[in-house]
Amino acid sequence: QVQLEQSGAEVKKPGASVKVSCKASGYTFSTNEINWVRQATGQGLEWMGWLNPKSGNTGYAQQFQGRVTMTTNTSISTVYMELNSLRADDTAVYYCARTRRIPSTTDVGYYHYYMDVWGKGTTVTVSS
Amino acid sequence: SSELTQDPAVSVALGQTVRITCQGDSLRSYYATWYQQKPGQAPVLVVYGKNIRPSGIPDRFFGSISGNTASLTITGAQAEDEGDYYCKSRDSSGVRLVFGGGTKLTVL
Repeated sequence: QVQLEQSGAEVKKPGASVKVSCKASGYTFSTNEINWVRQATGQGLEWMGWLNPKSGNTGYAQQFQGRVTMTTNTSISTVYMELNSLRADDTAVYYCARTRRIPSTTDVGYYHYYMDVWGKGTTVTVSS
Repeated sequence: SSELTQDPAVSVALGQTVRITCQGDSLRSYYATWYQQKPGQAPVLVVYGKNIRPSGIPDRFFGSISGNTASLTITGAQAEDEGDYYCKSRDSSGVRLVFGGGTKLTVL
């Protein structure tokens, strides 16, 4: 079945970097984008950005521009999310999610874009 | 602050109907996608587009849109429907994604 396996929990000091991996299985890796979403304890979901494994193209949320880098290694069906200059408020669970982009059958020219399979999440703790 | 606004909390009696709303200008151009999240778990896709449910999502979940407000209606709410519900759509630029702040649903 379709699965996204994320790397284990990380503890980092302020100013350090963290790299979280997300390994896909059960589907053709290159055919779906991967989005990253994070969630601080007791808070809502925050979108971070997307990566297209086929092209390597990326798009990032404005608040992470310059601090986040998403990459892929297609030979092992894995996507990475690296966040630099970590701060205490980066402490959160980081999720990767397979994203489908399919044409609407009712709205001509419209594409549905939704995250249908999620990893279990990776806890990143930033503390001195 | 999010460009999509949700009520922080809603409650419903077991078996009754509840509507969870999501408001934002971008919803005039883009459909909302709805996710359910239970404590300690990853979000689960519930509804996308014009009321499209993935396989396995009960038909008591119904998505709709009116103007700048998207709604997720649960008809005959069950105890297992308790959790946090998030809407997601595009931001005002249409390029980036944005989540609503989430609505905590309690089934009484």
